[in-house]
Amino acid sequence: NAGVTQTPKFQVLKTGQSMTLQCAQDMNHEYMSWYRQDPGMGLRLIHYSVGAGITDQGEVPNGYNVSRSTTEDFPLRLLSAAPSQTSVYFCASSYGGLKLFFGSGTQLSVL
Amino acid sequence: EDQVTQSPEALRLQEGESSSLNCSYTVSGLRGLFWYRQDPGKGPEFLFTLYSAGEEKEKERLKATLTKKESFLHITAPKPEDSATYLCAVQVKETSGSRLTFGEGTQLTVNP
Repeated sequence: NAGVTQTPKFQVLKTGQSMTLQCAQDMNHEYMSWYRQDPGMGLRLIHYSVGAGITDQGEVPNGYNVSRSTTEDFPLRLLSAAPSQTSVYFCASSYGGLKLFFGSGTQLSVL
Repeated sequence: EDQVTQSPEALRLQEGESSSLNCSYTVSGLRGLFWYRQDPGKGPEFLFTLYSAGEEKEKERLKATLTKKESFLHITAPKPEDSATYLCAVQVKETSGSRLTFGEGTQLTVNP
């Protein structure tokens, strides 16, 4: 049972580049979400989804897009990377929206 | 605005030295309070959910308690393997699932 799988683990981008962080879960969870973790800021919610075809903004959505075409996948797109988006990104899923299962994270550096 | 504050930021203990971590919260209506453990380079791992004041949950050397304003994570006779960052999070009523507000965490180090 893989749980929540995130790829890549590490990524370096130049300012202005775009990329997609992948997230997949095999637990048939309806809820999925993306958080970013920065020193001194804690985990902050970027976007979340309560089911296929349904997404909504979290606390810090600017500069990010999401879509949810299947129950399993919830990719996070950076449209035009900025140094302020340097962070560790975590994807999480849950059944019923309570107990979250997190992936192992993607460490992103934007130069 | 919903707020979660954890203290202390960092805590060093000797093996066997019991202590408590604090999580104070200000929310419009609490749906649930969560404790997670995070090891370096990994995602947070679920420990407990507490729903109402007076509730307690235990797991091995850890015990979580909840009041109307704060939660405590008590660590009894800790071992070096308990070293990690402990995160507290709240979910507010009238919000969709997955919307958790996290504190900044307490970094616990247990020395042998």
